[in-house]
Amino acid sequence: DGGITQSPKYLFRKEGQNVTLSCEQNLNHDAMYWYRQDPGQGLRLIYYSQIVNDFQKGDIAEGYSVSREKKESFPLTVTSAQKNPTAFYLCASSMSRTNEKLFFGSGTQLSVL
Amino acid sequence: ELKVEQNPLFLSMQEGKNYTIYCNYSTTSDRLYWYRQDPGKSLESLFVLLSNGAVKQEGRLMASLDTKARLSTLHITAAVHDLSATYFCAQGGSEKLVFGKGTKLTVNP
Repeated sequence: DGGITQSPKYLFRKEGQNVTLSCEQNLNHDAMYWYRQDPGQGLRLIYYSQIVNDFQKGDIAEGYSVSREKKESFPLTVTSAQKNPTAFYLCASSMSRTNEKLFFGSGTQLSVL
Repeated sequence: ELKVEQNPLFLSMQEGKNYTIYCNYSTTSDRLYWYRQDPGKSLESLFVLLSNGAVKQEGRLMASLDTKARLSTLHITAAVHDLSATYFCAQGGSEKLVFGKGTKLTVNP
């Protein structure tokens, strides 16, 4: 079945540690996105990529990094510079560079130990 | 700057009643999406509205788009408990979607 797979479902970070969230899609979509969701809040865009080997900062990129070496993969690293990383992280993809409908993964809940 | 505002943010209603969620947006890009999110889950696409006057219906939910007013509505008819969830609208900019804060709907028996 085609879809977006995020892993792990739950992740715990120690202070000063970098952690990486995985996002893989087999929909053959060009564009991929990372959103952060805090309780009672909407989704805020962290990074997005419209093509392999290219990505742009979203609204809250500080403390995060991404790579897009393969079309199907868009991992997100939460660095130690992100002082408040506890949130629900959602990966999404869309067919092309335009603002088309997003398909979402099941999310990763990141908590700080 | 693209802004999307939803209201109300919280909605508690009884089964069998009707209500409307409103989504105002700030730019002229007229691609509007509605999503549903259950607690701890991902977002599920409900509707895509692409042009002025577009109306789409699925079950007890109906979404409409008025591009002149920059307003979309999500109307709930004869609510049932299964509709309890958070509903987001999202509006398309040039390269990315911007989401509203969501409306948490609770349908009480």
